Amino acid sequence: NTVMTQSPTSMFTSVGDRVTMSCKASQNVGINVGWYQQKTGQSPKRLIYWASNRDTGVPDRFTGSGSGTDFTLTISNMQAEDPAIYYCLQHNSYPTFGGGTKLELK
Amino acid sequence: QVQLTESGPGLVHPSETLSLTCTVSGFSLTGYSVYWVRQPSGKGLEWMGRMRYNGDTSYNSALKSRLSISRDTSKNQVFLKMNSLQTDDTGTYYCTRRAYGSPFDYWGQGVMVTVSS
Repeated sequence: NTVMTQSPTSMFTSVGDRVTMSCKASQNVGINVGWYQQKTGQSPKRLIYWASNRDTGVPDRFTGSGSGTDFTLTISNMQAEDPAIYYCLQHNSYPTFGGGTKLELK
Repeated sequence: QVQLTESGPGLVHPSETLSLTCTVSGFSLTGYSVYWVRQPSGKGLEWMGRMRYNGDTSYNSALKSRLSISRDTSKNQVFLKMNSLQTDDTGTYYCTRRAYGSPFDYWGQGVMVTVSS
């Protein structure tokens, strides 16, 4: 199984900050990676697919990048509605999720 | 409009069998695969198994001995059965769809399952 390791596990930010989180795969997964936002009591919402494609309706402050084993989700201008847990998911083989990055406001 | 809706009992007793249904609309089960994903309370996401568009199934090796997934295409439903439930099976269970060009785009709202005597 491909292990997806996310870092950091949690972070505190302020409105307007640039936020970067990482996801590292234990083996090459190409661009078969998605990023998901999960708010409390809600199901995961896909933000990014194929590593760098933004879903319709997702603000352009969310950007995904990477390929192979290293992937990044960047929020260019943190907003008050962005606190959530963010997960990466690889689907190059049977799907596996990262452990999540919990993003909170200071 | 694409929708996936999970349903099932909220409470299951230890050692019993969990039965969940994912009812879909807005797409065909013969064109998309449906996956089951669970989330133990306060924890991360775990893939459980899948029903492929062609009727084939695959399971997470950690759950394979306890898990069965089936479907009824005429009712647009995918079923999950998992036996020998224990307290650490408590959590929220989701179904999500996958197509080649758009993997895991839509998710159900989830169904909370508590395993307790």
